[in-house]
Amino acid sequence: AQRVTQPEKLLSVFKGAPVELKCNYSYSGSPELFWYVQYSRQRLQLLLRHISRESIKGFTADLNKGETSFHLKKPFAQEEDSAMYYCALKQETSGSRLTFGEGTQLTVNP
Amino acid sequence: KAGVTQTPRYLIKTRGQQVTLSCSPISGHRSVSWYQQTPGQGLQFLFEYFSETQRNKGNFPGRFSGRQFSNSRSEMNVSTLELGDSALYLCASSLGGTASGWFFGPGTRLTVL
Repeated sequence: AQRVTQPEKLLSVFKGAPVELKCNYSYSGSPELFWYVQYSRQRLQLLLRHISRESIKGFTADLNKGETSFHLKKPFAQEEDSAMYYCALKQETSGSRLTFGEGTQLTVNP
Repeated sequence: KAGVTQTPRYLIKTRGQQVTLSCSPISGHRSVSWYQQTPGQGLQFLFEYFSETQRNKGNFPGRFSGRQFSNSRSEMNVSTLELGDSALYLCASSLGGTASGWFFGPGTRLTVL
């Protein structure tokens, strides 16, 4: 069965420091990977997807099929990046069902 | 364009009761998915509907059911509530079911006493 693992429940960095949120997955096929973010008192929202290969709010993520990882990175963290981040996987055969990781709470300190 | 709305936002029930949660998708969206979010299990997929048909179902007991109406609005029902059903229930809508286009609602917080 497919599984998404985010090894860090909590991550704390200082403003201006680089940040990397780890995501590993187990799935034998060709998945689609996503990062969702939930700011305090706001809805869950899509941050980026691997297919788009885009940078959103300075964040990037590269799908590494060899290491089955999809880590989220930002070179210079900002205080407004503080939020809960979820990595999610969509199987090629699951319709639109998403499997989420448990999330990483990122805190960016001033 | 109004976002996904869920009603009620908060609900308190007792064990053994049943509950119905409602979700109104973004106008024009035909797909609706439901997720259960708890501190211990995280976000767990419940079901997905497209044009009134259930396309996908997660690993939840039969007490959890759902449906979608012709106007794409969706409801989910939980019968014989258990304490463990206490959770935030999230609804998401999409135009045609592509995961990249899922827009989430604010959720309904269900507390079972």
